[in-house]
Amino acid sequence: DARVTQTPRDKVTEMGQEVTMRCQPILGHNTVFWYRQTMMQGLELLAYFRNRAPLDDSGMPKDRFSAEMPDATLATLKIQPSEPRDSAVYFCASGYGGETEAFFGQGTRLTVV
Amino acid sequence: QKEVEQNSGPLSVPEGAIASLNCTYSDRGSQSFFWYRQYSGKSPELIMFIYSNGDKEDGRFTAQLNKASQYVSLLIRDSQPSDSATYLCAVRSGGSYIPTFGRGTSLIVHP
Repeated sequence: DARVTQTPRDKVTEMGQEVTMRCQPILGHNTVFWYRQTMMQGLELLAYFRNRAPLDDSGMPKDRFSAEMPDATLATLKIQPSEPRDSAVYFCASGYGGETEAFFGQGTRLTVV
Repeated sequence: QKEVEQNSGPLSVPEGAIASLNCTYSDRGSQSFFWYRQYSGKSPELIMFIYSNGDKEDGRFTAQLNKASQYVSLLIRDSQPSDSATYLCAVRSGGSYIPTFGRGTSLIVHP
């Protein structure tokens, strides 16, 4: 059963702490997306990787967010320092090439207090 | 800036009726169109995609695309309470691998 796996599923942290979210894309997929979902903004693209190379991170606050893909089976999204406004659900999605749909992971619900 | 617009709803329909969900987009170069369903507290899951003008049917679902008018719609026939969810429209431009999502329409199917 191929699926995108995200960890952790839930994270509560204090303001100022570092948060790391991990994503394992579906085996064989070469595109990875990080999205953030809030009630106010809906789904916002934070970062996009193709063949592990970051191609678009224009939606990501550069001063505190960073996204990497150290190998084909792992993508990470870090927030340092975290702020209450970062509270949201963060989704990772993967796909193959440019013509197929994106498959979403279960998401990480982040709460910064 | 590429925009994808959806009525937030909620759209309320009785069980057995046809639910019609609409989506408009701003980028005339858009090539691929997707409908995702998202249950409360869950992740989006793809239910339909369409690339060409016209209708595409899959079971109780029909996607309709009109590129000249820049809209795409999703019809759900014989709506069931289990169809109650938020439906997200996503659009991808030619040459881009990044889908842009609308904010979704909430559908409520009442018995």
